[in-house]
Amino acid sequence: EVQLLESGGGLVQPGGSLRLSCAASGFTFSSHAMNWVRQAPGKGLEWVSGISASGSSTYYADSVKGRFTISRDNSKNSLYLQMDGLRAEDTALYYCAKDRTTYFYGRADYWGQGTLLTVSS
Amino acid sequence: QSALTQPASVSGSPGQSITISCTGTSSDIGAYNFVSWYQQHPGKAPKLMIYDVSNRPSGVSNRFSGSKSGDTASLTISGLQADDEADYYCSSYTTSSTEVFGGGTKLTVL
Repeated sequence: EVQLLESGGGLVQPGGSLRLSCAASGFTFSSHAMNWVRQAPGKGLEWVSGISASGSSTYYADSVKGRFTISRDNSKNSLYLQMDGLRAEDTALYYCAKDRTTYFYGRADYWGQGTLLTVSS
Repeated sequence: QSALTQPASVSGSPGQSITISCTGTSSDIGAYNFVSWYQQHPGKAPKLMIYDVSNRPSGVSNRFSGSKSGDTASLTISGLQADDEADYYCSSYTTSSTEVFGGGTKLTVL
C-alpha cells in the first residue's frame, strides 16, 4: 500500500524558514517523480514544485521560485521542501504527491494527508 | 502561469450525467495530452480520477470519463451517485515544465 506521510508544518513568522518532509513507502520511491501541492484554507489546489525520480531535474511555480527548494533522498525514501522567505500567502496545507512515472508530467496518483503551514506574526 | 478555467459549480440528480469543462491555452491543455482530473471530498486528500485526458486509474469507476478538444478538456460523470458530490479539479502539464490546476468545481447531487 502506497503511503505518504508529510511532516514539518507549523507556525512561522513572515520572512522565516521551514523544511517540510515526506516519508514514502509501499512503492519504489526512486522510480517516481514527486510533487508538492498546496491548498490555502477554503481555496483550490496550487502546484508548488516537482522533482524527477533521480532528483536531477527540479521544477517550481513562479510564486515560489527562488524561495523554495525541492529535494529528495532516495536512500531514505524521503522528499523535502525547504521554504525560505515565507510570506502570509504561503499559508496552506502542503501535500506530498507521487507522480505516475519517472519524469515529472504533473500526474499525481497518490497523495499524503498534508501538513499545515501557517505564516503569521 | 494562469489557472485553468472551470465552472464554480455544477449539479445533477441521481442517475443523471454531468460534464465539467476545463479551459486552458495552447501552452497547457492544447500542447499535451497530460490532463488529469481529481476528486476531493471535504477534509480529504485529492484522488486521481482521470489521467492523460481519458485514462482511468485502477479502481476508478467507469462512470467517470475524460476527453479533450483543442484547449478544453472535459470530465463526464454518468449515473450520478450521492458519493460523487465533491470538488473536482483539472490539471495540465505546461510548456514551461510546470503543472497548472483549475480553480475547482463543486458538484452537488440534488
